[in-house]
Amino acid sequence: GAGVSQSPSNKVTEKGKDVELRCDPISGHTALYWYRQSLGQGLEFLIYFQGNSAPDKSGLPSDRFSAERTGGSVSTLTIQRTQQEDSAVYLCASSRDNTYEQYFGPGTRLTVT
Amino acid sequence: GDSVTQMEGPVTLSEEAFLTINCTYTATGYPSLFWYVQYPGEGLQLLLKATKADDKGSNKGFEATYRKETTSFHLEKGSVQVSDSAVYFCALSGILTGGGNKLTFGTGTQLKVEL
Repeated sequence: GAGVSQSPSNKVTEKGKDVELRCDPISGHTALYWYRQSLGQGLEFLIYFQGNSAPDKSGLPSDRFSAERTGGSVSTLTIQRTQQEDSAVYLCASSRDNTYEQYFGPGTRLTVT
Repeated sequence: GDSVTQMEGPVTLSEEAFLTINCTYTATGYPSLFWYVQYPGEGLQLLLKATKADDKGSNKGFEATYRKETTSFHLEKGSVQVSDSAVYFCALSGILTGGGNKLTFGTGTQLKVEL
């Protein structure tokens, strides 16, 4: 079946602009995670959603970052007032529930100029 | 907090050579351990996993054994192929407040296999 999809695949934005990154998890997967892969920090956890419960935001690096998940499916990660240090590949992963393995999407490469 | 340390790359091997990529971890409790692989231009894929001490995960000729006494999960393959060229990430799962499994990754080891 279809895997995790993310859009856009690439995004170039100017410093100070807001960006939205989208994730479509595998159908039926209740758990959804966002990670960030950057040269300086490696792969790091950002936020976790389980069904319609309140998300775990413990990995978000600043209050410029937010995410939502509508209807327990599609998720959007929003970065406000982007900075150059936000340049990274943003990865989304989903799993059947919170105990199963995570399947990763191809990522969105964000470049802030 | 949780952390994963894996050997620096890049690692360059000839085809059919033996591969070891070292991975050690620091964690509270008893996490599950994973190796993920990222082939050029592709997303992260789960390669293998082990959920408790002394478990051996295996897939595609790769193996790793969960060693609690040495807090290690080294990746091995007896005979690598050019198609194994990729970046390999060691990871552990930690429990989030909401019950999810947050993955903590190592920095990744790039493997290049030459003919």
